[in-house]
Amino acid sequence: GAVVSQHPSWVICKSGTSVKIECRSLDFQATTMFWYRQFPKQSLMLMATSNEGSKATYEQGVEKDKFLINHASLTLSTLTVTSAHPEDSSFYICSATGLAGESGEQYFGPGTRLTVT
Amino acid sequence: GQNIDQPTEMTATEGAIVQINCTYQTSGFNGLFWYQQHAGEAPTFLSYNVLDGLEEKGRFSSFLSRSKGYSYLLLKELQMKDSASYLCAVKDSNYQLIWGAGTKLIIKP
Repeated sequence: GAVVSQHPSWVICKSGTSVKIECRSLDFQATTMFWYRQFPKQSLMLMATSNEGSKATYEQGVEKDKFLINHASLTLSTLTVTSAHPEDSSFYICSATGLAGESGEQYFGPGTRLTVT
Repeated sequence: GQNIDQPTEMTATEGAIVQINCTYQTSGFNGLFWYQQHAGEAPTFLSYNVLDGLEEKGRFSSFLSRSKGYSYLLLKELQMKDSASYLCAVKDSNYQLIWGAGTKLIIKP
């Protein structure tokens, strides 16, 4: 149990275009989903936290108008990178919590590698 | 400010034992997690400690001392597949996870 999927697993896009990444909890209802970004050889950087049906909470320094997050249901959250630039190239990972009675551990999706050319 | 410290890199030999330390200074404490992350992959959960003491799970054990703000992950009978980064993360008083930069563990035959 506790499987989180992401789609796509990798994407290449041109500078100035937008890319949508989906994060799904397959066998549980995720009350909270998290979006992370990870540059090579660096640690995870939390971008935002989203709860189903409410606006996402963005970390300091993360542009909410550039990284649009939608958490429309208890099993789906999307991250849209708008007007992507080469510096947005990174590994984007989502995670989810929500299983009752557990420690609040986050279950991670497999990640999406974004390359902006 | 909030801070998690881990060694950047460690090297160990196949079959041996290695201990990865983590010290933390956070606003409140609601548990400490260890995750394993292979290169190019997402992290996977290894252990969770909220009370002082040792939690053992197969070849992996995790220890916590809240008074010292200290934890370690102990890996026994090392295998080549254990080569990965090991991330320490602390849940603070707001239940937000604060992540360490990770320790890259290199296993040599």
